[in-house]
Amino acid sequence: AQTVTQSQPEMSVQEAETVTLSCTYDTSESNYYLFWYKQPPSRQMILVIRQEAYKQQNATENRFSVNFQKAAKSFSLKISDSQLGDTAMYFCAFMKENSGYALNFGKGTSLLVTP
Amino acid sequence: NAGVTQTPKFQVLKTGQSMTLQCAQDMNHEYMSWYRQDPGMGLRLIHYSVGAGITDQGEVPNGYNVSRSTTEDFPLRLLSAAPSQTSVYFCASSYRLGLADYNEQFFGPGTRLTVL
Repeated sequence: AQTVTQSQPEMSVQEAETVTLSCTYDTSESNYYLFWYKQPPSRQMILVIRQEAYKQQNATENRFSVNFQKAAKSFSLKISDSQLGDTAMYFCAFMKENSGYALNFGKGTSLLVTP
Repeated sequence: NAGVTQTPKFQVLKTGQSMTLQCAQDMNHEYMSWYRQDPGMGLRLIHYSVGAGITDQGEVPNGYNVSRSTTEDFPLRLLSAAPSQTSVYFCASSYRLGLADYNEQFFGPGTRLTVL
Protein backbone atom coordinates (compact mmCIF):
# COMPACT_ATOMS: atom_id res chain seq x y z
CA ALA A 1 0.00 0.00 0.00
CA GLN A 2 1.09 3.52 -0.69
CA THR A 3 1.73 5.81 2.27
CA VAL A 4 1.60 9.59 2.20
CA THR A 5 3.28 11.61 4.94
CA GLN A 6 2.71 15.24 5.79
CA SER A 7 5.14 16.12 8.53
CA GLN A 8 3.74 19.56 9.39
CA PRO A 9 0.44 19.29 11.31
CA GLU A 10 0.10 23.08 11.55
CA MET A 11 1.64 26.07 9.83
CA SER A 12 1.13 29.79 9.92
CA VAL A 13 2.01 32.49 7.40
CA GLN A 14 1.38 36.20 7.12
CA GLU A 15 -0.71 37.61 4.35
CA ALA A 16 1.28 38.23 1.11
CA GLU A 17 4.11 35.94 2.25
CA THR A 18 5.12 32.60 0.76
CA VAL A 19 4.70 29.25 2.49
CA THR A 20 5.72 25.71 1.55
CA LEU A 21 3.87 22.60 2.69
CA SER A 22 5.74 19.30 2.66
CA CYS A 23 4.63 15.90 1.46
CA THR A 24 6.52 12.66 0.99
CA TYR A 25 5.19 9.36 -0.25
CA ASP A 26 6.25 5.78 -0.52
CA THR A 27 5.43 3.65 -3.54
CA SER A 28 6.88 1.00 -5.82
CA GLU A 29 4.75 2.16 -8.74
CA SER A 30 6.47 3.70 -11.75
CA ASN A 31 3.56 5.85 -12.85
CA TYR A 32 1.13 7.61 -10.59
CA TYR A 33 -0.55 10.92 -9.87
CA LEU A 34 -0.14 13.35 -7.00
CA PHE A 35 -2.59 15.97 -5.78
CA TRP A 36 -3.02 18.72 -3.27
CA TYR A 37 -6.54 19.26 -1.95
CA LYS A 38 -7.77 22.17 0.12
CA GLN A 39 -10.48 21.79 2.74
CA PRO A 40 -11.77 25.11 4.14
CA PRO A 41 -14.03 25.25 7.21
CA SER A 42 -17.00 24.58 4.92
CA ARG A 43 -15.65 20.99 4.70
CA GLN A 44 -15.78 20.96 0.89
CA MET A 45 -12.82 19.21 -0.76
CA ILE A 46 -11.29 21.42 -3.46
CA LEU A 47 -8.58 20.34 -5.88
CA VAL A 48 -5.66 22.78 -5.78
CA ILE A 49 -3.13 21.23 -8.12
CA ARG A 50 -2.15 17.90 -9.65
CA GLN A 51 1.03 16.35 -11.00
CA GLU A 52 1.52 13.35 -13.26
CA ALA A 53 4.61 11.39 -12.25
CA TYR A 54 5.76 10.95 -15.84
CA LYS A 55 5.94 14.71 -16.34
CA GLN A 56 9.22 16.29 -15.31
CA GLN A 57 7.89 19.81 -15.33
CA ASN A 58 6.46 21.01 -12.04
CA ALA A 59 2.78 21.91 -12.12
CA THR A 60 1.66 25.49 -11.54
CA GLU A 61 -1.80 26.97 -10.98
CA ASN A 62 -1.74 30.72 -10.45
CA ARG A 63 -0.28 31.30 -6.94
CA PHE A 64 0.14 27.57 -6.30
CA SER A 65 3.10 25.55 -7.52
CA VAL A 66 4.70 22.25 -6.64
CA ASN A 67 8.24 20.99 -6.29
CA PHE A 68 8.07 17.39 -7.48
CA GLN A 69 11.18 15.33 -6.79
CA LYS A 70 10.44 11.84 -8.09
CA ALA A 71 13.66 10.20 -6.94
CA ALA A 72 13.24 11.60 -3.44
CA LYS A 73 9.48 10.85 -3.51
CA SER A 74 8.75 14.37 -2.43
CA PHE A 75 5.86 16.63 -3.51
CA SER A 76 5.78 20.00 -1.76
CA LEU A 77 3.23 22.76 -2.33
CA LYS A 78 4.28 26.40 -2.48
CA ILE A 79 1.68 29.11 -1.96
CA SER A 80 2.83 32.54 -3.05
CA ASP A 81 1.25 35.85 -2.04
CA SER A 82 -0.79 34.11 0.66
CA GLN A 83 -4.34 35.34 1.11
CA LEU A 84 -6.71 35.09 4.08
CA GLY A 85 -8.89 32.78 1.99
CA ASP A 86 -6.05 30.27 1.82
CA THR A 87 -6.68 29.39 5.47
CA ALA A 88 -7.68 25.72 5.36
CA MET A 89 -6.56 22.14 5.81
CA TYR A 90 -4.34 20.98 2.96
CA PHE A 91 -4.13 17.33 2.04
CA CYS A 92 -1.56 15.65 -0.14
CA ALA A 93 -2.91 12.63 -2.03
CA PHE A 94 -1.55 9.82 -4.18
CA MET A 95 -3.27 7.80 -6.89
CA LYS A 96 -1.76 4.92 -8.82
CA GLU A 97 -2.76 3.95 -12.33
CA ASN A 98 -5.71 1.64 -12.84
CA SER A 99 -6.80 1.98 -9.22
CA GLY A 100 -10.39 3.00 -9.86
CA TYR A 101 -9.43 6.59 -9.13
CA ALA A 102 -8.93 5.67 -5.47
CA LEU A 103 -6.90 8.24 -3.52
CA ASN A 104 -4.48 7.75 -0.62
CA PHE A 105 -4.40 10.86 1.56
CA GLY A 106 -1.90 12.22 4.02
CA LYS A 107 -3.08 13.38 7.45
CA GLY A 108 -3.16 17.00 6.42
CA THR A 109 -1.57 20.33 7.29
CA SER A 110 -3.64 23.05 8.90
CA LEU A 111 -2.60 26.38 7.38
CA LEU A 112 -3.48 29.67 9.03
CA VAL A 113 -2.97 32.91 7.11
CA THR A 114 -2.80 35.93 9.42
CA PRO A 115 -3.26 39.61 8.55
CA ASN B 1 -26.01 19.66 -12.74
CA ALA B 2 -26.34 19.07 -9.00
CA GLY B 3 -22.93 17.36 -8.97
CA VAL B 4 -22.39 14.86 -6.13
CA THR B 5 -25.10 14.91 -3.50
CA GLN B 6 -25.09 13.16 -0.14
CA THR B 7 -27.94 12.60 2.29
CA PRO B 8 -28.35 13.07 5.15
CA LYS B 9 -25.99 15.90 6.13
CA PHE B 10 -26.08 14.87 9.80
CA GLN B 11 -27.11 11.67 11.53
CA VAL B 12 -27.03 10.33 15.07
CA LEU B 13 -27.30 6.59 15.62
CA LYS B 14 -27.28 4.28 18.59
CA THR B 15 -24.83 1.41 18.78
CA GLY B 16 -26.14 -1.57 16.84
CA GLN B 17 -28.46 0.36 14.57
CA SER B 18 -28.10 0.10 10.81
CA MET B 19 -28.47 2.81 8.24
CA THR B 20 -27.62 3.77 4.67
CA LEU B 21 -25.74 6.88 3.61
CA GLN B 22 -26.91 7.96 0.21
CA CYS B 23 -24.68 9.25 -2.58
CA ALA B 24 -25.82 10.27 -6.05
CA GLN B 25 -24.21 11.99 -9.02
CA ASP B 26 -25.83 13.30 -12.17
CA MET B 27 -22.68 13.60 -14.29
CA ASN B 28 -22.71 10.03 -15.65
CA HIS B 29 -19.40 9.30 -13.92
CA GLU B 30 -18.26 5.70 -13.93
CA TYR B 31 -15.98 5.94 -10.88
CA MET B 32 -17.37 6.45 -7.39
CA SER B 33 -15.86 6.04 -3.96
CA TRP B 34 -16.49 6.48 -0.24
CA TYR B 35 -14.04 7.97 2.26
CA ARG B 36 -14.17 8.62 5.97
CA GLN B 37 -12.44 11.53 7.65
CA ASP B 38 -11.41 11.35 11.29
CA PRO B 39 -9.59 14.05 13.26
CA GLY B 40 -5.85 13.82 12.64
CA MET B 41 -6.27 10.94 10.18
CA GLY B 42 -6.98 12.55 6.85
CA LEU B 43 -9.37 10.79 4.48
CA ARG B 44 -9.32 7.01 4.24
CA LEU B 45 -10.87 4.96 1.45
CA ILE B 46 -13.69 2.62 2.48
CA HIS B 47 -15.01 1.20 -0.80
CA TYR B 48 -14.93 2.18 -4.43
CA SER B 49 -16.62 1.27 -7.71
CA VAL B 50 -15.39 1.41 -11.30
CA GLY B 51 -18.85 0.98 -12.79
CA ALA B 52 -22.34 -0.36 -12.22
CA GLY B 53 -22.16 -3.83 -10.70
CA ILE B 54 -18.45 -3.56 -9.81
CA THR B 55 -17.18 -2.67 -6.35
CA ASP B 56 -13.98 -3.21 -4.41
CA GLN B 57 -12.63 -2.68 -0.91
CA GLY B 58 -10.45 0.18 0.16
CA GLU B 59 -8.28 0.66 3.22
CA VAL B 60 -10.98 0.47 5.91
CA PRO B 61 -13.93 -1.62 4.63
CA ASN B 62 -14.90 -3.50 7.80
CA GLY B 63 -18.40 -2.75 9.03
CA TYR B 64 -19.50 -1.23 5.73
CA ASN B 65 -21.28 -2.61 2.71
CA VAL B 66 -21.77 -1.11 -0.78
CA SER B 67 -23.50 -1.97 -4.01
CA ARG B 68 -23.72 -0.18 -7.36
CA SER B 69 -26.87 -1.10 -9.23
CA THR B 70 -26.95 2.11 -11.29
CA THR B 71 -24.32 4.54 -12.58
CA GLU B 72 -25.86 7.37 -10.56
CA ASP B 73 -26.09 5.88 -7.06
CA PHE B 74 -23.53 4.43 -4.67
CA PRO B 75 -25.04 3.90 -1.19
CA LEU B 76 -22.93 3.03 1.85
CA ARG B 77 -24.54 0.73 4.41
CA LEU B 78 -23.55 0.51 8.04
CA LEU B 79 -24.60 -2.97 9.12
CA SER B 80 -24.38 -2.55 12.90
CA ALA B 81 -23.16 0.89 13.91
CA ALA B 82 -20.32 1.20 16.42
CA PRO B 83 -18.88 4.30 18.15
CA SER B 84 -15.68 3.78 16.13
CA GLN B 85 -17.69 4.64 13.02
CA THR B 86 -18.30 8.17 14.26
CA SER B 87 -16.80 10.20 11.43
CA VAL B 88 -17.43 12.47 8.48
CA TYR B 89 -18.16 10.51 5.32
CA PHE B 90 -17.39 11.78 1.83
CA CYS B 91 -18.54 10.38 -1.48
CA ALA B 92 -16.61 11.20 -4.67
CA SER B 93 -16.99 10.53 -8.38
CA SER B 94 -14.86 10.80 -11.49
CA TYR B 95 -14.64 9.69 -15.11
CA ARG B 96 -12.09 8.61 -17.67
CA LEU B 97 -11.42 11.21 -20.33
CA GLY B 98 -10.20 9.59 -23.53
CA LEU B 99 -6.97 7.69 -22.93
CA ALA B 100 -6.06 9.70 -19.85
CA ASP B 101 -5.94 7.68 -16.68
CA TYR B 102 -6.69 10.66 -14.55
CA ASN B 103 -9.45 13.14 -14.17
CA GLU B 104 -10.53 15.35 -11.34
CA GLN B 105 -12.51 13.78 -8.51
CA PHE B 106 -15.69 15.57 -7.51
CA PHE B 107 -16.50 15.36 -3.82
CA GLY B 108 -19.88 15.57 -2.15
CA PRO B 109 -20.45 17.88 0.85
CA GLY B 110 -20.07 15.07 3.40
CA THR B 111 -22.25 13.43 6.04
CA ARG B 112 -21.40 13.84 9.72
CA LEU B 113 -22.30 10.65 11.56
CA THR B 114 -22.28 10.22 15.33
CA VAL B 115 -22.74 6.79 16.91
CA LEU B 116 -23.61 6.83 20.59
